Amino acid sequence: ETGVTQTPRHLVMGMTNKKSLKCEQHLGHNAMYWYKQSAKKPLELMFVYNFKEQTENNSVPSRFSPECPNSSHLFLHLHTLQPEDSALYLCASSLTSGEGEQYFGPGTRLTVT
Amino acid sequence: AQSVTQLDSQVPVFEEAPVELRCNYSSSVSVYLFWYVQYPNQGLQLLLKYLSGSTLVKGINGFEAEFNKSQTSFHLRKPSVHISDTAEYFCAVSEAEDGNQFYFGTGTSLTVIP
Repeated sequence: ETGVTQTPRHLVMGMTNKKSLKCEQHLGHNAMYWYKQSAKKPLELMFVYNFKEQTENNSVPSRFSPECPNSSHLFLHLHTLQPEDSALYLCASSLTSGEGEQYFGPGTRLTVT
Repeated sequence: AQSVTQLDSQVPVFEEAPVELRCNYSSSVSVYLFWYVQYPNQGLQLLLKYLSGSTLVKGINGFEAEFNKSQTSFHLRKPSVHISDTAEYFCAVSEAEDGNQFYFGTGTSLTVIP
């Protein structure tokens, strides 16, 4: 595997379900990010981790819970989501937070029913 | 905080014609500038970036962009487009003093017409 990978690529979940999104980067980077991409809106930065420490939480509702066990893996745990949470969730990584460009994964298309 | 404006949400252009996709940002503080491309069902791929130095930046796939500090712009250009350039293009800005935050525009959908 190369670059940034995300699983699953597609996810349909009910509002009472609990699911997790997984991101893995194979670039030796130390910063990882979660973004939400909704139609016709700018990408919304959700969380930033730098050397496994969370450095940004952009007022994201608590029904989204990130986890970064090491610099290569990032999870987004989901519970009691709302239909408006349906979107493409993108993971990215960079050398460190604030240094260099971000490399993106292919995203997880989430549909909340 | 920055705001990034991509004035054109959709740009249709004929194959082999030139194209310019516009990007303006709000703040005049020291910034880093990026253009990303997103093909259907894929993540964002870096086209080019401006960190410092020459204001004319060349990227992949024949694209280039020019940083204009006085106009706070970073327009993307290609002299001759191909069908394969059909995609969504995003401009992004990060502030040199706060690299945690990447600010993205709403994107420009480029459609190349045969």
